[in-house]
Amino acid sequence: EAEVAQSPRYKITEKSQAVAFWCDPISGHATLYWYRQILGQGPELLVQFQDESVVDDSQLPKDRFSAERLKGVDSTLKIQPAELGDSAMYLCASSFGQANEKLFFGSGTQLSVL
Amino acid sequence: QKEVEQNSGPLSVPEGAIASLNCTYSDRGSQSFFWYRQYSGKSPELIMFIYSNGDKEDGRFTAQLNKASQYVSLLIRDSQPSDSATYLCAVKPGGGYNKLIFGAGTRLAVHP
Repeated sequence: EAEVAQSPRYKITEKSQAVAFWCDPISGHATLYWYRQILGQGPELLVQFQDESVVDDSQLPKDRFSAERLKGVDSTLKIQPAELGDSAMYLCASSFGQANEKLFFGSGTQLSVL
Repeated sequence: QKEVEQNSGPLSVPEGAIASLNCTYSDRGSQSFFWYRQYSGKSPELIMFIYSNGDKEDGRFTAQLNKASQYVSLLIRDSQPSDSATYLCAVKPGGGYNKLIFGAGTRLAVHP
């Protein structure tokens, strides 16, 4: 069964360090999403790609976060520098198209900033 | 501010009972409604979606939508301990707002 691949599964870092997360969506899914989920809250959209283009990054803290999907397939989310408040689960999801709201999530990256 | 509200729980039900999970949303123009199940430490998994007023059944799960009351619910019949998880309600607002808004989730505990 096709899955969204994410790595690493866990990441521990110190504040002010740089971290990066990788995501490979389900083959054929044009839309890719990065969500952040703080413990006890629902996922919050950080950035949405349609192929290689960003269609929504309104909630992405652009002073420290960046995301790219250069060839319209896999994607990288980077934080530099990390802050204590960035500790959360970072979830990647994909869907067949921009209007298809059936999201399929990867296993997530649990980030702890010390 | 478009909002999706859920009771955080925990909702505790005995094995075999019906679990009823509720969600309200603020945007009257919302068109699409989803229920995701999330086990502790895991990622959300889509279990139900509904677009039209009324009921939609899939196995032990029934989604109910009432757009006039801005209310969507999920019923789980014959609840099992394996159903113990957090259930996230997600809504796609209307008016061209093209992203899902998630509630904070309701934690369900099914005890033997």
